[in-house]
Amino acid sequence: NAGVTQTPKFQVLKTGQSMTLQCAQDMNHNSMYWYRQDPGMGLRLIYYSASEGTTDKGEVPNGYNVSRLNKREFSLRLESAAPSQTSVYFCASTRGGLANTDTQYFGPGTRLTVL
Amino acid sequence: SQQGEEDPQALSIQEGENATMNCSYKTSINNLQWYRQNSGRGLVHLILIRSNEREKHSGRLRVTLDTSKKSSSLLITASRAADTASYFCATPDRDDKIIFGKGTRLHILP
Repeated sequence: NAGVTQTPKFQVLKTGQSMTLQCAQDMNHNSMYWYRQDPGMGLRLIYYSASEGTTDKGEVPNGYNVSRLNKREFSLRLESAAPSQTSVYFCASTRGGLANTDTQYFGPGTRLTVL
Repeated sequence: SQQGEEDPQALSIQEGENATMNCSYKTSINNLQWYRQNSGRGLVHLILIRSNEREKHSGRLRVTLDTSKKSSSLLITASRAADTASYFCATPDRDDKIIFGKGTRLHILP
């Protein structure tokens, strides 16, 4: 099992460009999450999907959109990138319910720089 | 939203010593989790402790929870170089999502 995979690993964008970060898990997990991590900070939740076909906003959703394509895949899209979105992005999944009672499994992260 | 705050922000100890880090939170919780993050990697779950538990062990890890003081501690015994990482506590918010603290950066000196 690969666990949680993310592509790309690194990306540099110019302000105003768009891109989609891909995430997939092969553990048959129901819930998936997108976080961002800024230097010296903990993770902040952007969006999550409690089950296939549902998505909800987290703490910092502005400037992002998500798609739960199927049970395995959860993508994060930046429609018009801004320098404030320079960060490391992590995808995570949990087997059943929300992450407050269930172990989260994290991907390796995508390091995004917006110039 | 509530947030766990780890203390200290950074800690350097000699290999073989014990490392203790603390987490304080603001409102009542039903559980608390600890995660580890090695440099440049994703987080790895270490342990979950429920509000009706006072102490929990996993290998060289010992976690305590004091709900009256709204605090938790993570003790790593007999530290190793591989323990060098950032450690985060995570607590549920009122919407049952979890909130991560800013972490404690632990450095094990040879």
